Amino acid sequence: KQEVTQIPAALSVPEGENLVLNCSFTDSAIYNLQWFRQDPGKGLTSLLLIQSSQREQTSGRLNASLDKSSGRSTLYIAASQPGDSATYLCASNYGGSQGNLIFGKGTKLSVKP
Amino acid sequence: AAGVIQSPRHLIKEKRETATLKCYPIPRHDTVYWYQQGPGQDPQFLISFYEKMQSDKGSIPDRFSAQQFSDYHSELNMSSLELGDSALYFCASSVGLRTDTQYFGPGTRLTVL
Repeated sequence: KQEVTQIPAALSVPEGENLVLNCSFTDSAIYNLQWFRQDPGKGLTSLLLIQSSQREQTSGRLNASLDKSSGRSTLYIAASQPGDSATYLCASNYGGSQGNLIFGKGTKLSVKP
Repeated sequence: AAGVIQSPRHLIKEKRETATLKCYPIPRHDTVYWYQQGPGQDPQFLISFYEKMQSDKGSIPDRFSAQQFSDYHSELNMSSLELGDSALYFCASSVGLRTDTQYFGPGTRLTVL
């Protein structure tokens, strides 16, 4: 069964810190991996998508990496801000005839001013 | 830029009633996915459609059905509602199945009393 695990479940950091969120997946035959942000009771905002042929993607203060062989992805947030406080979810896509996303349970991030 | 539209945004129903959720994908997107997110849970895939045909089925109860119409919008029909159906229901759209980013709508919050 394909599973996605995120560690830690929650993280609290002071403003300005650099931080890393971890995501692991059980099946390395991944098509792509997507990172999302979710504010409480709100929808999912796509942050970054990494194709299986890529090693990393960057957008502003965010950098996501993908290591298929080890079944891991990381989301690096530089110079964290209180506005970054949210739950971050990673989701794997195995493509094929499905293409549906398998989500991890997320990391709840709190950035303290 | 146009986003995925979901209606209604909030819905309150009694047990055993029926509900219909609607999803309007981003223009020129031909694939629609439905996900269910229970309280404190990660999103779970329900069903997807590609070019108006069902492409995959996840953990969707038999009481639920869905379809994609000629204009690519999709509807999720839920009958004999149960308390456990209370959740956020997300629709996502993309171009094709073997695809890039899935763009999520704001969700419909269904409360079953």
